Amino acid sequence: GAGVSQTPSNKVTEKGKYVELRCDPISGHTALYWYRQSLGQGPEFLIYFQGTGAADDSGLPNDRFFAVRPEGSVSTLKIQRTERGDSAVYLCASSTGQGGVQFFGPGTRLTVL
Amino acid sequence: AQSVTQLGSHVSVSEGALVLLRCNYSSSVPPYLFWYVQYPNQGLQLLLKYTSAATLVKGINGFEAEFKKSETSFHLTKPSAHMSDAAEYFCAVSDGGATNKLIFGTGTLLAVQP
Repeated sequence: GAGVSQTPSNKVTEKGKYVELRCDPISGHTALYWYRQSLGQGPEFLIYFQGTGAADDSGLPNDRFFAVRPEGSVSTLKIQRTERGDSAVYLCASSTGQGGVQFFGPGTRLTVL
Repeated sequence: AQSVTQLGSHVSVSEGALVLLRCNYSSSVPPYLFWYVQYPNQGLQLLLKYTSAATLVKGINGFEAEFKKSETSFHLTKPSAHMSDAAEYFCAVSDGGATNKLIFGTGTLLAVQP
């Protein structure tokens, strides 16, 4: 019944630190997406999971970014050695599968000081 | 490659006036097109989508959009603005392929004046 949830809603960290952002998709949705929305911009695609596997990670900006979805439900976006340029709202979306409408969570606002 | 252009980062209308938010797309394959709305501190909510059926698409809250292939446009309209329509609106395109990832425009912030 519940929509996509994301935790934390806000995360403040210092440059160089490691952060994890969590996404709980709608129950039964096999497809999961991560997007990043910088100030004044539209969301930009990061990575797509179909089930447990990352089917398309072409949007990840560099190897400091990594995401997992070990059981095909909850996903975690991991950012190593954070930089100030990583500050953005990170959005998660889920859908029933190929061609399905994507339902978005409220996002996690990450601030790197 | 696909892309979306939204003309006008800020649009202001009076309550009761016509709302017109512009979106032009570029796609090498028949596109799937979407309009999402984002209220402050909330996630993106789907307003409507075009997936190659009827070219005039009706969405929630009285919004509609018309797919015009010759103009590569998918403009969003509403006959009469309400104060509650004030939000940011994003147009997005997808190729509907294996990934079905969305490519978003930069958004249009709609203000509604009393």
